[in-house]
Amino acid sequence: SQQGEEDPQALSIQEGENATMNCSYKTSINNLQWYRQNSGRGLVHLILIRSNEREKHSGRLRVTLDTSKKSSSLLITASRAADTASYFCATDAANDYKLSFGAGTTVTVRA
Amino acid sequence: SQTIHQWPATLVQPVGSPLSLECTVEGTSNPNLYWYRQAAGRGLQLLFYSVGIGQISSEVPQNLSASRPQDRQFILSSKKLLLSDSGFYLCAWSRVNEQFFGPGTRLTVL
Repeated sequence: SQQGEEDPQALSIQEGENATMNCSYKTSINNLQWYRQNSGRGLVHLILIRSNEREKHSGRLRVTLDTSKKSSSLLITASRAADTASYFCATDAANDYKLSFGAGTTVTVRA
Repeated sequence: SQTIHQWPATLVQPVGSPLSLECTVEGTSNPNLYWYRQAAGRGLQLLFYSVGIGQISSEVPQNLSASRPQDRQFILSSKKLLLSDSGFYLCAWSRVNEQFFGPGTRLTVL
């Protein structure tokens, strides 16, 4: 079953602007991950944040996690046309091999 | 380095025909393996996962089945395809938390 829900469903921004998307989940988690999917391709792992972490950075990506609100956000700064893709959050529970994916946010970066 | 292969890339099959999709992983041993299905514009639905040879866990009841005959080989099968089986099928492997995805198979059932 899908636990994560991304918001918004779709986002269109100008190149150079920042893109922010949110993920909410329902049950306690061990980790939360963000993945990117280019059209018709497999998913690529972007970043993992553990339940005891509040913020993590990787290049132009910034992820926050608020376990009290059961939510996470992904910020892409200074967006580029190549950032056009769908972004998914995925959660896993403690001692669980499985990931539960949200429906994704489709980001379009206009040149 | 590890790589994951899926084939075929695209497949068009008539309703009622059998299905066999193959996934192989290179460069790692004893990975956890996963089959997902993605409907158009939607998230991923976990179909099967395996933590070892011959060990298959099914997440949703359906007319699909999975097998793991070798450590790094994961096969998704059906005896008789339904229209509703159309979708994008993704195989993935993991060791701890992060999952690594194959390029996917686009299946169209007519």
